Amino acid sequence: AQSVTQLGSHVSVSEGALVLLRCNYSSSVPPYLFWYVQYPNQGLQLLLKYTSAATLVKGINGFEAEFKKSETSFHLTKPSAHMSDAAEYFCAVSDLSNTGKLIFGQGTTLQVKP
Amino acid sequence: EAQVTQNPRYLITVTGKKLTVTCSQNMNHEYMSWYRQDPGLGLRQIYYSMNVEVTDKGDVPEGYKVSRKEKRNFPLILESPSPNQTSLYFCASSPGGLNYSPLHFGNGTRLTVT
Repeated sequence: AQSVTQLGSHVSVSEGALVLLRCNYSSSVPPYLFWYVQYPNQGLQLLLKYTSAATLVKGINGFEAEFKKSETSFHLTKPSAHMSDAAEYFCAVSDLSNTGKLIFGQGTTLQVKP
Repeated sequence: EAQVTQNPRYLITVTGKKLTVTCSQNMNHEYMSWYRQDPGLGLRQIYYSMNVEVTDKGDVPEGYKVSRKEKRNFPLILESPSPNQTSLYFCASSPGGLNYSPLHFGNGTRLTVT
């Protein structure tokens, strides 16, 4: 079965520092992977997706993620954090059942300190 | 503006009192789904619909019902709510329910059952 593990439920960085949010997946076939962001009192917004094209995927707001098959990882990074990046981030993998279902990780709350 | 609209945003009710959370999308998407979000558990799928009149159970369907009589609407029904259904609920849609299609989320409904 597909699964996703996000390492660290809370990550705190200083403004201007590198953001690294970790995601590891389990999949018996090449996966489709997604990162979503949830700002307070809002729904989830797609940051980026991996669909077996380039392994380095660029998303919105300066975020990017690299698919590493050997490490079964899809970590999210941003070179320089902004205060506006404070939010909860979810990594997700497509279910194998082809029902459109996404399997989500537990989420990581990013705090950005001034 | 393309969007998924949920109502109400906040709902407090008592055990056993039937309620409906509405969801509507204006993107002509075939696929719609309901998720619940709980701390430390990420998002879990409740029900999904691949098209009009076609619905199926997700991972946590107990205590919920859905219907899909029109393409744009996908209401979530709690016939007899219980306190363990206190959660944050999200409706989502996508063009065709394919594994690589990202989901578009509504802004959520925070339900409290006392």
